[in-house]
Amino acid sequence: SQTIHQWPATLVQPVGSPLSLECTVEGTSNPNLYWYRQAAGRGLQLLFYSVGIGQISSEVPQNLSASRPQDRQFILSSKKLLLSDSGFYLCAWSSPYEQFFGPGTRLTVL
Amino acid sequence: GNSVTQMEGPVTLSEEAFLTINCTYTATGYPSLFWYVQYPGEGLQLLLKATKADDKGSNKGFEATYRKETTSFHLEKGSVQVSDSAVYFCALKEGGSNYKLTFGKGTLLTVNP
Repeated sequence: SQTIHQWPATLVQPVGSPLSLECTVEGTSNPNLYWYRQAAGRGLQLLFYSVGIGQISSEVPQNLSASRPQDRQFILSSKKLLLSDSGFYLCAWSSPYEQFFGPGTRLTVL
Repeated sequence: GNSVTQMEGPVTLSEEAFLTINCTYTATGYPSLFWYVQYPGEGLQLLLKATKADDKGSNKGFEATYRKETTSFHLEKGSVQVSDSAVYFCALKEGGSNYKLTFGKGTLLTVNP
């Protein structure tokens, strides 16, 4: 069966520090992968999606970036965090019929 | 572009009460529609879905019917339980191979014993 992992589960970082969040999927090959952010009091915002290794599409302009160095690995990064980057970050992969979400990373920028 | 509008809540009910969470959408073509549930501190889980007009999705006592004429996909449950307390998201997916979802803002449901 397929599983999706995210780490870390929680993270507290100072403003201006770098960020690296990792997502890996097991049990499937060549999945579409997604990064979402859920800010307090707001819905889910799609940040990036990827249909293959090295293929990244950005949905919104921001100081975040994403990379897909391997088929089942998706990384969300920032060189310098902003206060507004705080939120709950969710990784997801999709089959042709459904999108499956990871457990999320709670990021607090102070 | 596509959009999903759902009642933002929060919604507070007593156990065994009837639940309705409204969801309407704007989309080109014929989207698929979904309800996701997020329990505290967790990721999202698919609750139910409908892929064409007049389809009814159902799971765990929850139901929603895809109404093309009113562009709606309201979530209902006849008798809620404390364990149903969660955030509920309505979402749509356009046709095509890229599985991009558009989400509503979510509705927080709290069920009191």
